[in-house]
Amino acid sequence: QVQLQESGPGLVKPSETLSLSCAVSGKSIRSGYYWGWIRQPPGKALEWIGTIYQSGSTYYKSSLKSRVTISVDTSKNQFSLKLTSVTAADTAIYYCARQGYYHTDPFDFWGRGTMVTVSS
Amino acid sequence: QSALTQPASVSGSPGQSITISCTGSSSDVGGYNFVSWYQQHPGKAPKLMISDVSGRPSGVSSRFSASKSGNTASLTISGLQAEDEADYYCCSYAGGDTLFGGGTKLTVL
Repeated sequence: QVQLQESGPGLVKPSETLSLSCAVSGKSIRSGYYWGWIRQPPGKALEWIGTIYQSGSTYYKSSLKSRVTISVDTSKNQFSLKLTSVTAADTAIYYCARQGYYHTDPFDFWGRGTMVTVSS
Repeated sequence: QSALTQPASVSGSPGQSITISCTGSSSDVGGYNFVSWYQQHPGKAPKLMISDVSGRPSGVSSRFSASKSGNTASLTISGLQAEDEADYYCCSYAGGDTLFGGGTKLTVL
């Protein structure tokens, strides 16, 4: 059974960089799957942020592309999210998830999510 | 690209059937057979219910079914049960982007 666990600061100051990691257990991150980040502002809808493959190839939401970097660390079996120049609009629960063998596949395993608040 | 359009809320009585629509465009829902549906209970992570327009992952009840016609996808839940009360989100590949719907709150009366 695949398990994902998000970790990182729960509070980030405006204009700074949000950094989160997702530890994967029960499956090697090199097993041919894509891995993604999704966020959900309080009381609002889900929003896809981006997706990465074991090789490091990435797909990003077009409106966030200039601020997002997703990377993978196969030695630690984890992948990470960096979002720069954050504002209050980036306050959300951030989820990491497994996406299947293709970047068009759905998200079949999710982490529990981690709340990140952007505030001074 | 805008989020996919879903009704804000739907409701039904136990045992009844309900359908949730998800409207996009030819650039997303209508252009690809990569539509999925997620169920989210309060305070929980989303759960995959439908993949690739109408596929049902292992462990998902057969009461959940889905289809697509043109730019609109639909999720149908038959034999409504109290445990089905949750938020439901559609999701579609959009040629490099992935879009979610605005979500639909299902109330079981």
